[in-house]
Amino acid sequence: AQSVAQPEDQVNVAEGNPLTVKCTYSVSGNPYLFWYVQYPNRGLQFLLKYITGDNLVKGSYGFEAEFNKSQTSFHLKKPSALVSDSALYFCAVRPAGGNTPLVFGKGTRLSVIA
Amino acid sequence: GAGVSQSPSNKVTEKGKDVELRCDPISGHTALYWYRQSLGQGLEFLIYFQGNSAPDKSGLPSDRFSAERTGGSVSTLTIQRTQQEDSAVYLCASSLVAGDTQYFGPGTRLTVL
Repeated sequence: AQSVAQPEDQVNVAEGNPLTVKCTYSVSGNPYLFWYVQYPNRGLQFLLKYITGDNLVKGSYGFEAEFNKSQTSFHLKKPSALVSDSALYFCAVRPAGGNTPLVFGKGTRLSVIA
Repeated sequence: GAGVSQSPSNKVTEKGKDVELRCDPISGHTALYWYRQSLGQGLEFLIYFQGNSAPDKSGLPSDRFSAERTGGSVSTLTIQRTQQEDSAVYLCASSLVAGDTQYFGPGTRLTVL
């Protein structure tokens, strides 16, 4: 069965600094990988996904994520954090092929401090 | 176009009462999912529907929880004899097909007194 680990419950970063939110996964075969963001009192919003092709995926709001097959990771990154990036971030995975639902990590709370 | 909508946005009920939560998915999406998010917690998968196939109910926490999807569109999540531990935000999502990018509604915040 597939699973996702987000090893950090909380990440703090100063505004203007680069940020990284970590995600590792376990899946049979090739993965489809996703990142979602949840702002306070809102539903989840889709940020980006990796299906195939270039390992570096660019998404909304300046975020990007790098698929690393050997390390089974899909870390979310942004070169320069904004206070408005403060939110809860979820990584999700499913195996390529077939139509199974996404499996979500427990989420990482990002706080960007001015 | 319209996104996923959920109603009500907030529901306060008394322990032991039944509640119904509604989800309107994006038009044309064949897959629909229900999740539960407790305060400060991640997403707990409850159930999903894919087209006319039998729903995957593997995440439902007890037989007090049930869901249906009428006409392949609107879905209703029903919680019978609510308990205080049922208090959470209930999120609905839909996707074109199961496994595709999921689009989430704003959620229903359920409070059981």
